[in-house]
Amino acid sequence: SQQGEEDPQALSIQEGENATMNCSYKTSINNLQWYRQNSGRGLVHLILIRSNEREKHSGRLRVTLDTSKKSSSLLITASRAADTASYFCATANAGGTSYGKLTFGQGTILTVHP
Amino acid sequence: AAGVIQSPRHLIKEKRETATLKCYPIPRHDTVYWYQQGPGQDPQFLISFYEKMQSDKGSIPDRFSAQQFSDYHSELNMSSLELGDSALYFCASSRTGQAKVRRRDPFADTQYFGPGTRLTVL
Repeated sequence: SQQGEEDPQALSIQEGENATMNCSYKTSINNLQWYRQNSGRGLVHLILIRSNEREKHSGRLRVTLDTSKKSSSLLITASRAADTASYFCATANAGGTSYGKLTFGQGTILTVHP
Repeated sequence: AAGVIQSPRHLIKEKRETATLKCYPIPRHDTVYWYQQGPGQDPQFLISFYEKMQSDKGSIPDRFSAQQFSDYHSELNMSSLELGDSALYFCASSRTGQAKVRRRDPFADTQYFGPGTRLTVL
């Protein structure tokens, strides 16, 4: 299975609600990055959290990382219809010669209804 | 701020033809990555370059090759195209390479993606 696995695969909420997406991975990581992608468009970087960090905030985004459980979560607060997109987590492995390359999870499709 | 530039944005080719995709990284970024995203799938790493040298290789077919030039732009060359090569091809760049950069720059390692090239093979 994928290095990064996300759940739920699809999430449908109303505007103003919070959305939480989870990501699990298998190997030791250097960092974990969250991206957003509108249908068929480019990947927009949201936030990077390093392996020695536990939580990061950016605007309405909150990311947590639990390296003991090899999992991360992305919380979007006070969601808006414009947040509708696919959200991917991606991990960069620690050490070796594979530094930097990202392994993506399968993504969560978020739909925010006005 | 300058972003990653990819060209062309759309490309239509016939089977067995060749294609060349170009990527221009963000200025002062030393590392370029190529990813392939099939329909409804997550992006898959193909290959990366640091300071014009190949730094890592993923699931890139032998029919594909890539290089990074002295001005840091990169090209992905695809030959003997197959229907299954139809996908979005992303280039990303970062200023990852040097350990001393990573230690002092909180934004090092962040990979910034271009808008992608949509390749359709008929």
